[in-house]
Parts: sequence; structure tokens; C-alpha cells
Amino acid sequence: DTEVTQTPKHLVMGMTNKKSLKCEQHMGHRAMYWYKQKAKKPPELMFVYSYEKLSINESVPSRFSPECPNSSLLNLHLHALQPEDSALYLCASSQEGREGEKLFFGSGTQLSVL
Amino acid sequence: KQEVTQIPAALSVPEGENLVLNCSFTDSAIYNLQWFRQDPGKGLTSLLLIQSSQREQTSGRLNASLDKSSGRSTLYIAASQPGDSATYLCAVASGGSYIPTFGRGTSLIVHP
Repeated sequence: DTEVTQTPKHLVMGMTNKKSLKCEQHMGHRAMYWYKQKAKKPPELMFVYSYEKLSINESVPSRFSPECPNSSLLNLHLHALQPEDSALYLCASSQEGREGEKLFFGSGTQLSVL
Repeated sequence: KQEVTQIPAALSVPEGENLVLNCSFTDSAIYNLQWFRQDPGKGLTSLLLIQSSQREQTSGRLNASLDKSSGRSTLYIAASQPGDSATYLCAVASGGSYIPTFGRGTSLIVHP
């Protein structure tokens, strides 16, 4: 199994809603990542978890709250988002979060904030 | 700070052509370089990963080369097909961080 699975594939939410994005991998990877991608732009790193601990937070607003319940799961909790947060949210994983590793991406969640 | 540039930004070719996509980077002290394919609104699919010690990697009709001294990588696609239409991104891990820096991608259209 070399897949990273993201749910839901599409999400529409209002600015007062609370929702969560989910990511799952069963490759035994110990590093998991959240990226945000706007149309026609490269992915931008948001968070990295390594061995279930938050290791990188790229100064992301607190309305985005990551969670890593175990080594296979990664969540992104969303609250009070703005329309400019509409984007494709991508999850990725790698073996340990070290140099030279291959990144595996999920198919993304297309988020629209109304 | 690593900067990654991809040229051209967009490319439209007839089916059957061999084509080359370019990726250049400013810091040659890299760990690896990874080429990805992305279809509209979808995730990234890894095509090829070249480690710092390697010169090229091949998978089917795809061949990626790496020249660290000149700060360049090329992705060669042989006998292009309409199904190859997508955006191709290169990502370079370097400079004490395993987090890759992405280029802006090359948008490829292969028309029948």
C-alpha cells in the first residue's frame, strides 16, 4: 500500500463553520505534512509532524489546527476560515522526515469557504 | 535560500513529440530532486526521485537527469501522448532541510 488517503475530496464551508480534513497512510511513515496550494501556484508547506510531534509550523494562522492522533493519521481542524483560505489542501508523508526521502502525496481536499 | 525555476511555464505540443522540461536551482548542495505530475485539482504523483549521488533516473518513457554543478535537472518525455497533459513540478531538498522547495511548474498540453 503506497497510498496517502485524504477525505473529503471536496468541502464547502461557511466562515462560522468548524470542519476537519483527514489524512491516512499505512506505509509506516513517521513524517506527515500539510500543504496548501492555490490555483496555478506551487504547494506551500503549512505543518510537519515527525514521530507524532509537531516539528514545523510555517507561521500558519490559528484558525488552522493540526492534530496527529497516531502515526497513521493526520487531521487539520478548521474554524472561522476566510474566503481567501479557499484552496487545495494536500497531505503528504515520508519515511522519517530526513534528508533524501521521497514524498508521497494524497489526492487533496478542495476547500471552498463562502 | 534555495530558489527553483522551471522553464517553460507552459508548453503545447502535438502528440508523438519528444520533449524536455527544465528545472534549475540556485544552491547546488542538494539532497535530492523529485519530479511530480499534477492533474487539475488533484494531488501530486511522484514520477522520479534523483538522489544527490545520482545522475539520472528512468521510468518508462520518462528520463530525468541531474547536473548539480550547473544547478539543473531535465525531465525528458519520449513519444508524448494526450494523457501526458498535466502540470509537472520539480522539488529540490537542500541546505540542511529535508523540506523540498517547489518550482512553479510547467503546464503541458499534448494535443492529438
